[in-house]
Amino acid sequence: QVHLQQWGAGLLKPSETLSLTCAVYGGSFSGYYWSWIRQPPGKGLEWIGESDHSGRGNYNPSLKSRVTISLDTSKSQISLKMTSMSVADTAVYFCAREGANTSSPPFEFWGQGTPVTVSS
Amino acid sequence: SSELTQDHAVSVALGQTVRVTCLGDSLRSYYANWYQQKPGQAPVLLIYDKDKRPSGIPDRFSGSISGHTASLTITETQAEDEADYYCHSRDSRGNPSFGPGTKVTVL
Repeated sequence: QVHLQQWGAGLLKPSETLSLTCAVYGGSFSGYYWSWIRQPPGKGLEWIGESDHSGRGNYNPSLKSRVTISLDTSKSQISLKMTSMSVADTAVYFCAREGANTSSPPFEFWGQGTPVTVSS
Repeated sequence: SSELTQDHAVSVALGQTVRVTCLGDSLRSYYANWYQQKPGQAPVLLIYDKDKRPSGIPDRFSGSISGHTASLTITETQAEDEADYYCHSRDSRGNPSFGPGTKVTVL
């Protein structure tokens, strides 16, 4: 069974950089796209971006200029960096593994979520 | 704003059937997936590729699609099915996109 465990700083000041890590236990790491998704308090899910083990990345256009997603295949870890954080970026951040071989790959496995608060 | 639309909330009597719908032009080209999310928890995949269930998901959950409308149907609704339900597909750029979510209340 695949298990995703994530961690990172949960309290940031405006303009600081968010850094989160997601470790994958079980299953294959290569051959899949790995995504970050966030959910502001009381709101819906927003896809942030994805990357595969070869570094092929794809980002939400509204966040692209501030986001970097990278994979460390030796550690089976995915990282998220988001610069210039603001209060509007306050949310729970999830990592997730995408399925394969379909027109709209589902997010099959999710991390537990990391609450991130941006406040001065 | 989302290119997928969902009713904000629906209610269903215990043991009855409820349908949650998701509308979007992209659903004519891409499969729909559905997730259940309970407070304080990560979403759980319920339905993928419009009508397939991952192992462990009860068969009272089913999915279908017609034109630009995807539907999640819950039959014999249980109290534990009270949750938020999100559809997921792709947008016009081919990027993952979520609907705004539907809150299902079990009466």
